[in-house]
Amino acid sequence: DQQVKQNSPSLSVQEGRISILNCDYTNSMFDYFLWYKKYPAEGPTFLISISSIKDKNEDGRFTVFLNKSAKHLSLHIVPSQPGDSAVYFCAARGGDMRFGAGTRLTVKP
Amino acid sequence: KAGVTQTPRYLIKTRGQQVTLSCSPISGHRSVSWYQQTPGQGLQFLFEYFSETQRNKGNFPGRFSGRQFSNSRSEMNVSTLELGDSALYLCASSARTGPNTEAFFGQGTRLTVV
Repeated sequence: DQQVKQNSPSLSVQEGRISILNCDYTNSMFDYFLWYKKYPAEGPTFLISISSIKDKNEDGRFTVFLNKSAKHLSLHIVPSQPGDSAVYFCAARGGDMRFGAGTRLTVKP
Repeated sequence: KAGVTQTPRYLIKTRGQQVTLSCSPISGHRSVSWYQQTPGQGLQFLFEYFSETQRNKGNFPGRFSGRQFSNSRSEMNVSTLELGDSALYLCASSARTGPNTEAFFGQGTRLTVV
């Protein structure tokens, strides 16, 4: 049951430009959303989160936007850096936490 | 503060065998969740434990089981291993369960079934 969907398996951007990663969810009971970053051979690392009572949360170069009516959230990275190259997972919490399939971001120098 | 520790890091087992993976959460964290990661499938939720009780369970067969001890350490067991069980198994700990809670992951146990 894919309650959290990341429809783009990969994304490639130029260094310094904006990276936009998208995520859709189907379960209206989700009320807390998170983004994780994962490097090979490591566990996912928490990046940023947003509560359903907000529509935007910003932390340095990372901003997450939530559109509850569309059941859609996105992660913006500005400016993108080569070190941001990783797999990004979107996650949503109602009770337990469910993840999307991930988007592999490649930032080219 | 020590992070989430999973042991072993790597494991090779034969079809039909059983395996037990261990997870020690961050000190003070009482919630432990387990996930299976396979290529293209993302992180599939296995189960969540809080204060020694299973709170939620994902869509996995009964061959997958787990438990949590009074010190919050958790184990997951897979019986009658199949080739398709080869995956990275990740454990995540949280201070509590429910919304507004971040989870912190261990490095995972890479299980290979041959």
